[in-house]
Amino acid sequence: GQQVMQIPQYQHVQEGEDFTTYCNSSTTLSNIQWYKQRPGGHPVFLIQLVKSGEVKKQKRLTFQFGEAKKNSSLHITATQTTDVGTYFCAGPPGGGADGLTFGKGTHLIIQP
Amino acid sequence: DGGITQSPKYLFRKEGQNVTLSCEQNLNHDAMYWYRQDPGQGLRLIYYSQIVNDFQKGDIAEGYSVSREKKESFPLTVTSAQKNPTAFYLCASSILAPHRAMNTEAFFGQGTRLTVV
Repeated sequence: GQQVMQIPQYQHVQEGEDFTTYCNSSTTLSNIQWYKQRPGGHPVFLIQLVKSGEVKKQKRLTFQFGEAKKNSSLHITATQTTDVGTYFCAGPPGGGADGLTFGKGTHLIIQP
Repeated sequence: DGGITQSPKYLFRKEGQNVTLSCEQNLNHDAMYWYRQDPGQGLRLIYYSQIVNDFQKGDIAEGYSVSREKKESFPLTVTSAQKNPTAFYLCASSILAPHRAMNTEAFFGQGTRLTVV
């Protein structure tokens, strides 16, 4: 089935530094979604990207979808302690199946 | 207050026992899903359902069973055949995508943490 690779697995930053996580697929994705999971919590939808080369912004978060629709990135500017958590990318499983195929996530740890 | 409710939050099971995890939604979503999350891992799809009385296996369905008798409910049974059931189980729902291979926003419940003792 579809595989979505995500790096890095862990990222330690000082509060105020920027953070980026990358998502790569071996096949073209019709769309990609990003979710955030706080420690002990459940995933919460952040955004969906559909168009080739699409860039969307939510305050300090910038999401990009690659031109070939095989990769995506999430960039956070000037991290805050509220950004702590695990960020997942997710795409369609392929083969006409339903549901989402999730990357393993990037754990963002912020040191004050 | 609309949303997805999973119960219980914590569940302990003895080896060899079947247990059923509850998932109820009042969002009027057609599609419902069960995912399993292991420590430090992403979510893996167990089962999904797009319509009442129909469901499909996901990537790791072995040792699990589901039913979809009502639109609002999608319970998951972890059977004794599941070799390593200790995990965090997440139920989700969404509206059906207008096109195949497209996705819509998934809404997750709070999860059930299952431990085999």
